[in-house]
Amino acid sequence: GAGVSQSPRYKVAKRGQDVALRCDPISGHVSLFWYQQALGQGPEFLTYFQNEAQLDKSGLPSDRFFAERPEGSVSTLKIQRTQQEDSAVYLCASSFTTVEPSGNTIYFGEGSWLTVV
Amino acid sequence: TQLLEQSPQFLSIQEGENLTVYCNSSSVFSSLQWYRQEPGEGPVLLVTVVTGGEVKKLKRLTFQFGDARKDSSLHITAAQPGDTGLYLCAGVNTGFQKLVFGTGTRLLVSP
Repeated sequence: GAGVSQSPRYKVAKRGQDVALRCDPISGHVSLFWYQQALGQGPEFLTYFQNEAQLDKSGLPSDRFFAERPEGSVSTLKIQRTQQEDSAVYLCASSFTTVEPSGNTIYFGEGSWLTVV
Repeated sequence: TQLLEQSPQFLSIQEGENLTVYCNSSSVFSSLQWYRQEPGEGPVLLVTVVTGGEVKKLKRLTFQFGDARKDSSLHITAAQPGDTGLYLCAGVNTGFQKLVFGTGTRLLVSP
């Protein structure tokens, strides 16, 4: 499809397990974002890539969270030693170039729902 | 930490009623966006407002950016069941790419 694609859509992980979430942005989009959305809340920023460069990782909650985009297209968000508080929807988003100051629209994927038991 | 507080948190109304959702902050933003999110989906952009005092209309939806660019409102006229969803405001700061999302307003419009 033409939209942002995320996989898996649903993941149940045992506490302490490592998980990897994949994001396929819209083809040609330079900017890629990861957000975390807890149930009933607004999304919270995790990290931002411009092509393969991770320019902002200020939102990553701990060193258990790691994101990469090695070839400037597909991105993976990895969570090591998952904990119950990591349970959330992880949203990936992309835009053609920059949001600020260019004002490009950000397109979100459907999200990966992670439940840690 | 910048906060965008939305009110009300939850709104349940009948089809045909009007409503207003508020998005308030103590911080100034270079622009503000409104999104609607349906269950199991990602947020979808409705509008971006950039200039203080700006008003934009999208069919039955009217968006306003405060003069000081710290707050915004979304007004829906004659709400329909298809308007049901989670409405999110999000601020953008000059020089930064990330969105700062509001706390969200969940709207339920019953037939």
